[in-house]
Amino acid sequence: TQLLEQSPQFLSIQEGENLTVYCNSSSVFSSLQWYRQEPGEGPVLLVTVVTGGEVKKLKRLTFQFGDARKDSSLHITAAQPGDTGLYLCAGAKDSSYKLIFGSGTRLLVRP
Amino acid sequence: DTEVTQTPKHLVMGMTNKKSLKCEQHMGHRAMYWYKQKAKKPPELMFVYSYEKLSINESVPSRFSPECPNSSLLNLHLHALQPEDSALYLCASSQDLGIGGVGGYTFGSGTRLTVV
Repeated sequence: TQLLEQSPQFLSIQEGENLTVYCNSSSVFSSLQWYRQEPGEGPVLLVTVVTGGEVKKLKRLTFQFGDARKDSSLHITAAQPGDTGLYLCAGAKDSSYKLIFGSGTRLLVRP
Repeated sequence: DTEVTQTPKHLVMGMTNKKSLKCEQHMGHRAMYWYKQKAKKPPELMFVYSYEKLSINESVPSRFSPECPNSSLLNLHLHALQPEDSALYLCASSQDLGIGGVGGYTFGSGTRLTVV
């Protein structure tokens, strides 16, 4: 059973479209992170959200942490082919030293 | 230096071989990690080191043996692996344990291991 479920699992869209990726859990997390991983590379940190209800923007990417700190979303505006990759949410609970990764969303942006 | 360097990038080994994966960081991070990633799956935690001491072993088979010789180096010794152990092995480091602070984890590019 995956502690952090992401949806959709796979998304193929045309350049210029908008999209939202969801990361859901039944557990409360002290903070959540989003990473992007390209083929043959390790994940790269995009953002950390720590406060319930927090919204962070990174150029065309908008990240939100749910009020109850059980879920998060990533919204991409006007997607570009360079956004293609595996998007992973990750969280740690207060009492744990383990960073748990979500199930992942594979995004393909077609030119 | 803001990188985690992993060597080799690719490794093919037989089931009776002994090999080692190496990981190095010079960011002064005190926590280092080994993750295993199968194709189209998220990374799975294997081991966590904090201040050069093993903090977490996620019930990993003994054919994988981690070692942290100093605060900058992390090794993963491999012996008598099975074909199902073929995967991308990722090393990561962070300033602190857990989510690693706002800076998160810094990952290496990984070693793609094939066991034949």
